[in-house]
Amino acid sequence: ETGVTQTPRHLVMGMTNKKSLKCEQHLGHNAMYWYKQSAKKPLELMFVYSLEERVENNSVPSRFSPECPNSSHLFLHLHTLQPEDSALYLCASSQTGTSGAQYFGPGTRLLVL
Amino acid sequence: SQQGEEDPQALSIQEGENATMNCSYKTSINNLQWYRQNSGRGLVHLILIRSNEREKHSGRLRVTLDTSKKSSSLLITASRAADTASYFCATDAGNNRKLIWGLGTSLAVNP
Repeated sequence: ETGVTQTPRHLVMGMTNKKSLKCEQHLGHNAMYWYKQSAKKPLELMFVYSLEERVENNSVPSRFSPECPNSSHLFLHLHTLQPEDSALYLCASSQTGTSGAQYFGPGTRLLVL
Repeated sequence: SQQGEEDPQALSIQEGENATMNCSYKTSINNLQWYRQNSGRGLVHLILIRSNEREKHSGRLRVTLDTSKKSSSLLITASRAADTASYFCATDAGNNRKLIWGLGTSLAVNP
């Protein structure tokens, strides 16, 4: 596989469920990102990992928990979400020390009931 | 506050016509990037223009940057139905790899 992959592509969960989103990048990059995209809002940066260390956490509620076990993999663990958390969750990667162009996965469409 | 603001919010043209969309931003930047997003999918990086560049081309894409006006434009020439997508600008102000995004321009190219 090439580029950035995300699984699952679609997820429906109840407010009491626990689920995880997975992202894998095959580009040899050393920075990875989680974004939330909701209708009529700018893309919201949630977390940034650089060299497997979290360098950004944009006041995201604790019901979202990221994990970056190595530079190629990124997870977003979800627990007791709210209906307003329904959105498209996008993973991206980039190479530090370069221009900053980011490469995105196809996203996970999440619906919280 | 939102850094990039695209204009117009929506644009509908016929195949073969040119499409122009604009982006304004508020603070000094290192570079400005344009991305495309097809419906409900991930974003695709199109082109990056640095703060010391004024114009850049890539295939049918032409980007200009005016740092004095804090604005950029993306021109798509000879549009195709496959260009139908949302287009976003994002600015890099050198803030720890954090890009600031606009709301996007929704482009519809009618066959």
